Amino acid sequence: AQTVTQSQPEMSVQEAETVTLSCTYDTSESNYYLFWYKQPPSRQMILVIRQEAYKQQNATENRFSVNFQKAAKSFSLKISDSQLGDTAMYFCAFWGGGSNYKLTFGKGTLLTVNP
Amino acid sequence: DAGVTQSPTHLIKTRGQHVTLRCSPISGHKSVSWYQQVLGQGPQFIFQYYEKEERGRGNFPDRFSARQFPNYSSELNVNALLLGDSALYLCASSFRPTEPGFFGQGTRLTVV
Repeated sequence: AQTVTQSQPEMSVQEAETVTLSCTYDTSESNYYLFWYKQPPSRQMILVIRQEAYKQQNATENRFSVNFQKAAKSFSLKISDSQLGDTAMYFCAFWGGGSNYKLTFGKGTLLTVNP
Repeated sequence: DAGVTQSPTHLIKTRGQHVTLRCSPISGHKSVSWYQQVLGQGPQFIFQYYEKEERGRGNFPDRFSARQFPNYSSELNVNALLLGDSALYLCASSFRPTEPGFFGQGTRLTVV
């Protein structure tokens, strides 16, 4: 079974600064996907960025980028130029192959961006 | 196009009662997955349905059941509600079951 660990329950950052959220995972699969989701108070889970395990290049989406270390099973999210609207819960999630297609989530990190 | 639609948005039930939650997928999406998110935790997988058949089931008791209709909408049913069933229930839809999909805004269930 896969596990996803987010060791930072809460983090804060000043507007316009950079912050990094940590995530580690454990799996025996070789082909999988990793995701970061954002959940604002509106409750809707919004996909921020995804990474295919077979790709060595780190994914980037505008101000969001990841540092994917496959051997270390680490998948951190970097948010540059933080904005007030980035305030939300952030969840790291694992999507594996095989016959059971499901997302396994970490417990989340509450990010607060201060003005 | 409309996103994933869940109804109702909020619900209060009494212990022992039964509840039905509904999910309408994005147009063209044939796969629906259900997740339970207890306060302070990440979502936990409950079910996945594709083409009206159950394709995956998480570690939940038999009180939880679901089905998918010919129009690909889905219902999640929970019998004999317990206080611990209080949670946000999220639905995600995708074109194929091999994709994680897009989430709805969820149904907040409170059991008293």
